[in-house]
Amino acid sequence: SYELTQPPSVSVSPGQTARITCSGDALPKQYANWYQQKPGQAPVLVIYKDSERPSGIPERFSGSSSGTTVSLTISGVQAEDEADYYCQSADSSGLYVVFGGGAKLTVL
Amino acid sequence: QVQLVQSGAEVKKPGASVKVSCKASGYTFTSYEINWVRQAAGQGLEWMGWMNPNSGYRGSAQKFQGRVTMTRDTSIGTVYMEVSSLRSEDTAIYYCVRENPMVEAFDIWGQGTMVTVSS
Repeated sequence: SYELTQPPSVSVSPGQTARITCSGDALPKQYANWYQQKPGQAPVLVIYKDSERPSGIPERFSGSSSGTTVSLTISGVQAEDEADYYCQSADSSGLYVVFGGGAKLTVL
Repeated sequence: QVQLVQSGAEVKKPGASVKVSCKASGYTFTSYEINWVRQAAGQGLEWMGWMNPNSGYRGSAQKFQGRVTMTRDTSIGTVYMEVSSLRSEDTAIYYCVRENPMVEAFDIWGQGTMVTVSS
């Protein structure tokens, strides 16, 4: 079955830039979305269609795509950004949704 | 406001079934597909399936085919997901999620329903 691969963890100091990657063979064909999940809460959409930001999401969140890898970048990381981040896309047929394993962002 | 409100926590024995409800409000119920996503404790998100509340068409991940049933009641704006033949590995938080075709993403999440399977 199709998989999206994320690093399990990313650490960054406050004010620095965090970059979380997500790799999958179908990503050149399918859009990717990113969700932020804080402990005890439901996930929240932070990036859609690879690089679009929903209203209400801070400008420091951005997304990009290159070949089989998409990336979520958080510029000027703040303590409140500490959370789990999940990428989500679909397989090449578009029939099945898949999530990456999640990356825990730690703000040192 | 736009929201999805799910039914409360459930405790079931192995082999039993559970039915979780998801009530939509603040938008046109039949215009957006509802998906189901679950999360076991300390684990990642797992997509289970989708339903179109207008047509009734549905689909599920291969892992859940034959064990998950999704239905809807358009008169009250509610989608249901039933999982049968429960086992301990099904213990998880179950989320209903709205898929927004404009953004091609899951833009509204329910609060989650904890389902515990234990003898």
